[in-house]
Order: sequence, then C-alpha cells, then structure tokens
Amino acid sequence: EAQVTQNPRYLITVTGKKLTVTCSQNMNHEYMSWYRQDPGLGLRQIYYSMNVEVTDKGDVPEGYKVSRKEKRNFPLILESPSPNQTSLYFCASSLFPGGDTQYFGPGTRLTVL
Amino acid sequence: GIQVEQSPPDLILQEGANSTLRCNFSDSVNNLQWFHQNPWGQLINLFYIPSGTKQNGRLSATTVATERYSLLYISSSQTTDSGVYFCAVERNRDDKIIFGKGTRLHILP
Repeated sequence: EAQVTQNPRYLITVTGKKLTVTCSQNMNHEYMSWYRQDPGLGLRQIYYSMNVEVTDKGDVPEGYKVSRKEKRNFPLILESPSPNQTSLYFCASSLFPGGDTQYFGPGTRLTVL
Repeated sequence: GIQVEQSPPDLILQEGANSTLRCNFSDSVNNLQWFHQNPWGQLINLFYIPSGTKQNGRLSATTVATERYSLLYISSSQTTDSGVYFCAVERNRDDKIIFGKGTRLHILP
C-alpha cells in the first residue's frame, strides 16, 4: 500500500531533550516536506527536500534540522525543543516538485513541557 | 512572499446544501491543490488543479490561474464533508508550498 508513515504519533517531552520524528514513504517520491499545524495559522512548511542530499528551508525552519540520506526517509530533528514547538507535525511527499499531488502522513502530535 | 487567502473562514450548512469555497493567491504558482482535513486530523488530497476544472463525484474544482483564484464546489453536502478545507500553492521560483488558513465546514444533519 502506498503510504507516508511517521513515528511517533504522539510524543510528550521536556525542554532541551533532543528528539527525532521519522518520516518514510514507499512511493519513490523525490519531493518531501515537513509542516507544522497550529490553531489559526494553518499549515506552515518547515523544510523541504527535492532529492537525496538536497534540502531547503521553508517558512519556519528555526529550531529544526532535517536530513535526506536516502530517498525514502526524511527525519525531522529538534536538537533542543522548546515549548513553542508544541504542535501537530505532518510529513508529506510527492513524485516531483511543481507538478504532482502531495500525500500526507498521519501526523505527530508533539508536546514540549 | 506569496499570500494565500481562503474564504469564508467558517461555514455552517444543513445536509443537502451546496457550497463554494474560494482560494485567492497573490503570485504565479506551479500548482494548486485542495485538501480536506477530517475531524480526526487526517489530510486527504482532493484535487491537484493548477488550471482548468476537475470533478470527482459531488466535488469539483476550478482554477483560473491568470486571475489567481480557485474555487471548490461541494454539492449535496453530507455530514462526512465536515472538517477543514485547505488550498495550497507551490511557488514558481523556489518550489516552496504555502497553505491558506482553511475554511472550516460544519454540516448539520
């Protein structure tokens, strides 16, 4: 089944404790993105990647890191999480940028205390 | 940067009614998509529609790229149509994706 998976689905952590949210797609997509969704603000793009070893900042990259060592995986890293990073996070992928539908993962609800 | 504005922000309708949701964008784009976020938070793509008109059952969408807007039509609404509808555009110059803030639709039985 074609899908985008994220883990964990729910996470409660404390300020400053490094964490990684994994994202994997099995559709051989080139383009992958991370978004955060906050009430009243909609979805905002954090980082995106157009292919292996190619990543770019979205609109809200501060406090986040990503890597794209393999085509299928695009982990989101919070080196030192803070409470303002409490949010609902989505990973998404599409076959290529500019001309295809995006498919979203189920979301990760992160709470930073 | 590019602005994406959706209207109305909220809409409450009786089951069976029709509705039109609008998405305006302020710059030229590579593509435009409509998504539905259901009450459980799942995001489902409805249409990939950089221009023209598409239909899928009770839903249809039209994008007029030269005038920088897109419309999503929902006919004969059902309670399962409730949720938030987002449009998202991909900027020409750098492939960044920008979402509108969504239209929250509530269909009453």
